[in-house]
Parts: sequence; structure tokens; C-alpha cells
Amino acid sequence: DGGITQSPKYLFRKEGQNVTLSCEQNLNHDAMYWYRQDPGQGLRLIYYSQIVNDFQKGDIAEGYSVSREKKESFPLTVTSAQKNPTAFYLCASSAGQGSSEQFFGPGTRLTVL
Amino acid sequence: DQQVKQNSPSLSVQEGRISILNCDYTNSMFDYFLWYKKYPAEGPTFLISISSIKDKNEDGRFTVFLNKSAKHLSLHIVPSQPGDSAVYFCAATPGGTSYGKLTFGQGTILTVHP
Repeated sequence: DGGITQSPKYLFRKEGQNVTLSCEQNLNHDAMYWYRQDPGQGLRLIYYSQIVNDFQKGDIAEGYSVSREKKESFPLTVTSAQKNPTAFYLCASSAGQGSSEQFFGPGTRLTVL
Repeated sequence: DQQVKQNSPSLSVQEGRISILNCDYTNSMFDYFLWYKKYPAEGPTFLISISSIKDKNEDGRFTVFLNKSAKHLSLHIVPSQPGDSAVYFCAATPGGTSYGKLTFGQGTILTVHP
């Protein structure tokens, strides 16, 4: 059963701590993405990767870091430098070159206390 | 700078009637447009898309219209069903090497009343 897995569904952290959000896909997709959604706003692109071992900053990359060591995995680290980390984080993937249709995971709700 | 705008935060329609969701964009480089549907605390699911070389695309009850000169697209749902109640996002991309860079609108909450 192919899809995108994000874990955990809900995550709580203390201010000043780094936290890593997991994203795994078994769709054999080349490209993966991280978005952030805040109340009343659309999705904003944080980072994306079109191929293993390569990634690019999106529109709001400051305070975040990623890695793409495996095709199936694209973890996102929310660092203490992110001023307002509490948000709903969504991971997505797409088949790759020429394919704009993205498939999304269920999301992780991060709350920083 | 909001390049993709959905100016109606919410829309309420009666079951069986038509729902029309609107989206405007400012970036003339956008080449491909998509609509996504999202339930609370879930990821968006893809609905329908349209390339800039077309002005209409249909898939069952869903039709997307694109007016390039006006930089406007709309999603028509006919007939609307209570299960269509969700947040709808339009998204746009320049395509080419930037195929993955989707810019989303703020979303429109659709409520379909039985």
C-alpha cells in the first residue's frame, strides 16, 4: 500500500530544542517537499529535493534544515533559530521531472512550549 | 507578495447546487495550475489540474476553467455534495525545472449543506 508516512502526528517540544520530523515514502518518487501551514494561510514551501543528495531552499527555509540521503526519506529539522516553529508541517512527494502533481502525507502538528 | 490569491475565505452552498471556487494569480510565468482538497489535520489530496495551453479540464463533477488573460482560474463542482465540505487550495507552478515549486493560495472553506 503505497503512500507517504509522517510521524509522529503530534509533537511537543520545549523552546530552544531542535526537533526532527520524519517523512518516508514508498511511491518510488524522485522529488520530495516540506511545507508549513499556519491558520488561515496556504501552504508555504520550506525545502524541496528533486534527487537524492540534493536539495534546495524554498520560500521560508530560515531556521530549518533537511537531508536527503535516501530516496525514500526526507527528514526536516526545526532548529532553535526558527522564531515561530509552532505549525502544521506537511511532507509531499512527486514522481519527478515534469510532474507537478504532489502527494501529501498526513502531516505533523508541532507545538513548541 | 501573495502571487496566488483566493479572495473568498469561505463559501456555503446547498446540496445539489453548483459550487464555484475562485483563484487569481499575478505571476505570468505560472504554467500549470492545480486544485487540492484538504480536511482538518490531514494532508491535501489532489483534485484536478490544468495546463496553460488549455482553458478547461473536466473530471467527473469537477471542472477547472483557466482565463490566462485575466490571470484567473475557477473550480466548479456540480452537483455539490455534503462530502465536498473541506478547504480547497489552488496552486500554481512555472513548470520546467521549477516543476516542483508550487505556490499555494490561502484556501477557501467550502460548506455544503444537506
